[in-house]
Amino acid sequence: GAGVSQTPSNKVTEKGKYVELRCDPISGHTALYWYRQSLGQGPEFLIYFQGTGAADDSGLPNDRFFAVRPEGSVSTLKIQRTERGDSAVYLCASSPGTDYGYTFGSGTRLTVV
Amino acid sequence: AQKVTQAQTEISVVEKEDVTLDCVYETRDTTYYLFWYKQPPSGELVFLIRRNSFDEQNEISGRYSWNFQKSTSSFNFTITASQVVDSAVYFCALTPIKAAGNKLTFGGGTRVLVKP
Repeated sequence: GAGVSQTPSNKVTEKGKYVELRCDPISGHTALYWYRQSLGQGPEFLIYFQGTGAADDSGLPNDRFFAVRPEGSVSTLKIQRTERGDSAVYLCASSPGTDYGYTFGSGTRLTVV
Repeated sequence: AQKVTQAQTEISVVEKEDVTLDCVYETRDTTYYLFWYKQPPSGELVFLIRRNSFDEQNEISGRYSWNFQKSTSSFNFTITASQVVDSAVYFCALTPIKAAGNKLTFGGGTRVLVKP
């Protein structure tokens, strides 16, 4: 597509439920990044993929968070046993390579009630 | 570890005024990139500029200009003759130049409100 697409744009879930957030990067972009942005703060790095593999997952806050990119294109961020503190905007970005600027998607706003 | 500080949380100006956004960073890396992004109410982060640590030349693009001073670890951003459409949150960010991906460290952002 023309840009980075994230679905859903909004997600409300109950505490303890499982959620999946999807990111469709720009076609041909090999690098894909997930960030989390809490209200009033700057985005914080979660995980980076180069192709299919997670090259750096040092930003994942705990083992309830997991992300995959099985075919090197679409990525899914998975959150188990959601907590109210997980409420945030989850941003995805893609890049043609590691030495290029990112293009960000519009994000998924996750609200855990 | 890297750190980016944007001390101004919110700036309010009247249209046509100039506005300068401060950014101070900390890093132990000798080579790095600095960025500015704009986040309008729609939420998407829009890339404005990337500078590398080798190049301290100031840059101007239309009404935007950037002042990079390595000696003070600052990368300030000025909007000249502001317009209502400039209202947004602006983020400064930093990444070391490495082969294995460029994860960004963002500042907390500065909200700019331009009143007509």
